[in-house]
Amino acid sequence: KAGVTQTPRYLIKTRGQQVTLSCSPISGHRSVSWYQQTPGQGLQFLFEYFSETQRNKGNFPGRFSGRQFSNSRSEMNVSTLELGDSALYLCASSSGFSGGPSSYNEQFFGPGTRLTVL
Amino acid sequence: QKEVEQDPGPLSVPEGAIVSLNCTYSNSAFQYFMWYRQYSRKGPELLMYTYSSGNKEDGRFTAQVDKSSKYISLFIRDSQPSDSATYLCAMNQLGGNEKLTFGTGTRLTIIP
Repeated sequence: KAGVTQTPRYLIKTRGQQVTLSCSPISGHRSVSWYQQTPGQGLQFLFEYFSETQRNKGNFPGRFSGRQFSNSRSEMNVSTLELGDSALYLCASSSGFSGGPSSYNEQFFGPGTRLTVL
Repeated sequence: QKEVEQDPGPLSVPEGAIVSLNCTYSNSAFQYFMWYRQYSRKGPELLMYTYSSGNKEDGRFTAQVDKSSKYISLFIRDSQPSDSATYLCAMNQLGGNEKLTFGTGTRLTIIP
């Protein structure tokens, strides 16, 4: 079974530009979550999409947005890039369904997209 | 103050040593406690998860959760150079869907 794939793997942008990142989940998974990873803050939750609807949202400004398509593939967009947006952006997929109160619905992470803002 | 605190290290230990990694948290609603391992240039991969309090063992790895102290630990026995990675604790609430709250990670190096 193929894992989570993210494209592109590396991006260099300048301040003020916008960027779109793509994530293809594991086949059959309906939930895609996005995280930002920086050395100082670690992994921070951006948002989660399930069946094309945003189900959960973290504490990021509105410049960060996402969407999910009918095939569960997801894109994340960052507009008006700032230097502080330089980070590794990770997406994770899961079935999206809880197996019960004591069961953790494992999320599988992709390799990430390294975004550098100059 | 962060909801989850984790000593960033770095931590270097000789091969064969027992490694102890820890996280503290402030949100009493957390019910699921996970440990992820992240190798350089890779995404995190799940090592173990524990629901509520207690211990869980998987091979050389043992996870402990003490909800009364809001403290979780991961022990690695007979550490190997291949265990060198960043270890991340993560937590989730019941009904929290897929929103994970992570510690900042501890970079571990096992010295042959």
